[in-house]
This record gives sequence, C-alpha cells and structure tokens, in this order.
Amino acid sequence: DAGVIQSPRHEVTEMGQEVTLRCKPISGHNSLFWYRQTMMRGLELLIYFNNNVPIDDSGMPEDRFSAKMPNASFSTLKIQPSEPRDSAVYFCASTYEGASRQPQHFGDGTRLSIL
Amino acid sequence: QQPVQSPQAVILREGEDAVINCSSSKALYSVHWYRQKHGEAPVFLMILLKGGEQKGHEKISASFNEKKQQSSLYLTASQLSYSGTYFCGAQNYGGSQGNLIFGKGTKLSVKP
Repeated sequence: DAGVIQSPRHEVTEMGQEVTLRCKPISGHNSLFWYRQTMMRGLELLIYFNNNVPIDDSGMPEDRFSAKMPNASFSTLKIQPSEPRDSAVYFCASTYEGASRQPQHFGDGTRLSIL
Repeated sequence: QQPVQSPQAVILREGEDAVINCSSSKALYSVHWYRQKHGEAPVFLMILLKGGEQKGHEKISASFNEKKQQSSLYLTASQLSYSGTYFCGAQNYGGSQGNLIFGKGTKLSVKP
C-alpha cells in the first residue's frame, strides 16, 4: 500500500518567494497533520485536519503560513512570503481516528531551505 | 507542554541494553513511541495507554507509569539497526491526536 506522499522532497528558494508543500494522505485516513522539525525545537505540530476540516491551527507560527485540505486525498501548506527562519523539514502525517491505538504514518518530508 | 526525554544521547556497543525515559509534567493519557533514522521519516514503534501496561516490538519494549507520569522504552541486546533518534509523543487527554506533543528525541548510536 502507498504511504503518505509528500512533494517536493527538497525545495531551495530565495527569501520572499512563495512556497507550497503538498501531501497525499493514506487512503481511508480521516486525520492529517502538518509538522515542522528543527534541531532546536524538535517536531512541532503546525495544524491538523479531521475529515478535511482544520481543527487546530494554533501551531501555525504566523499569518505567512496557511494550510488547506480541499478533499480527503490532498493537502497543501503554503508559506508566503518565505523567510530564512522557515528553513526546516516539514512532515505530513495521517491516521484513522475513531479506532484506538492508531499510529500516525509520516511522509518522507520536505526539506526546505530559504536563502 | 513538551515531554522531557532522557538521556539526550546514548552510545552503545552491539548487544548492550538501553533505557530511554519520557516524562510529562501533566497526567498522561497515552504515550506514542517513534524511531527516526537520519534523513528519513519517523516510524511508529508502539502506543501505550494509561494503566501501567507494557508492550513489545522486536526486542524493544516499553512501560507506562501513570503515577510517575512517565514512560520508559527498553532496548535489549541492541542491534546496529536500532541506531536512530527515538521520540516519545505524549497525550495528556483522550480524543484526537491533535493534542499529541513530541519530545525533542534521544539519539541512540549502536557501534559494532
């Protein structure tokens, strides 16, 4: 079975540019999570969706960050304008919530570098 | 609040044992353990719910001490493949995993 698919795997862009990260969750999963991982702060939850609806975006650092989930099989995380401090690895994860002890399945991540 | 993991890093020889602790300042509902190898995604190991249970995965097991608000991951007879960073995720109450908060990780290096 296909796992969580993220694209691109690597992104290098200049400060001020718009960045769009993409995620395709596992089919049948109803919750999707966007994380940011840095050495300093570890793995931080940015936002999560349940049944395509954003439930908690309190982890989104600033208004420059936005996320959408137009349907059950696709989500985007957008940064506009990007800044060097946004450089990090961004992970998308999905799970089925409604059954106990269901793990989150992580994508391979997008390594983002803002110059 | 972010759970605290200890130690931050540990180096083992193949065949040695290790314990990684995950402590929360609040009551725990569940603890999730993941392992991440360099440049890869975190991979699920196990979930423990409150009740003091123990679970196992290969030669890796874990315990949950509700009273101490702590979970411990035990790696016995370590193998080279165990190298990586181990993360615990703490849920302080039930419901969505949107309330799961990960610790900063423990880097484990297993040497031949």
